[in-house]
Amino acid sequence: NAGVTQTPKFQVLKTGQSMTLQCAQDMNHNSMYWYRQDPGMGLRLIYYSASEGTTDKGEVPNGYNVSRLNKREFSLRLESAAPSQTSVYFCASTQSPSSYNEQFFGPGTRLTVL
Amino acid sequence: SQELEQSPQSLIVQEGKNLTINCTSSKTLYGLYWYKQKYGEGLIFLMMLQKGGEEKSHEKITAKLDEKKQQSSLHITASQPSHAGIYLCGAPPGRSQGNLIFGKGTKLSVKP
Repeated sequence: NAGVTQTPKFQVLKTGQSMTLQCAQDMNHNSMYWYRQDPGMGLRLIYYSASEGTTDKGEVPNGYNVSRLNKREFSLRLESAAPSQTSVYFCASTQSPSSYNEQFFGPGTRLTVL
Repeated sequence: SQELEQSPQSLIVQEGKNLTINCTSSKTLYGLYWYKQKYGEGLIFLMMLQKGGEEKSHEKITAKLDEKKQQSSLHITASQPSHAGIYLCGAPPGRSQGNLIFGKGTKLSVKP
């Protein structure tokens, strides 16, 4: 039982390049989330998928797109990377969209955009 | 929108000392989660509190949620170097929402 896995762990991009961050969970969770963590800002929600087949914007969605490929996988795409997207990205999952369910986090992807 | 304020922002304590980290919400909490993060790593779940007045303990860490459900504290007894890291509080913005709003974190250093 690996929990929540993310790939890659580290990535360096040049401005304008695109890339996809991958996230998978093996806990049969319905809801998945993407956050970014910046120094002094805490974690902020980018996008989320309350259930398979649905996606919604979070607090900071601009410059990102997401795909809920199936129940296990939720990817985050940067179409044209900008230096402001340099951050640590965390994927999380929970059984269902409820305040009573623990969120499980992946190890994070450190992205640097030059 | 809801905000979580953590205090202090950073803390340096001598090994063996007790310490408290606070998390104050601008709105009534539907739940409060405490996580620990070591540099370069993911978030480790510590505890979840839901009821006003609730208190939970695990090893040397105790978390409390006040009766009004607007403030939580995390208390570490007899701190050890292994307690060092960033402590984050998070709360769901609504009863039927699974995402969390986070405080900015408290960086704890423990001097041997």
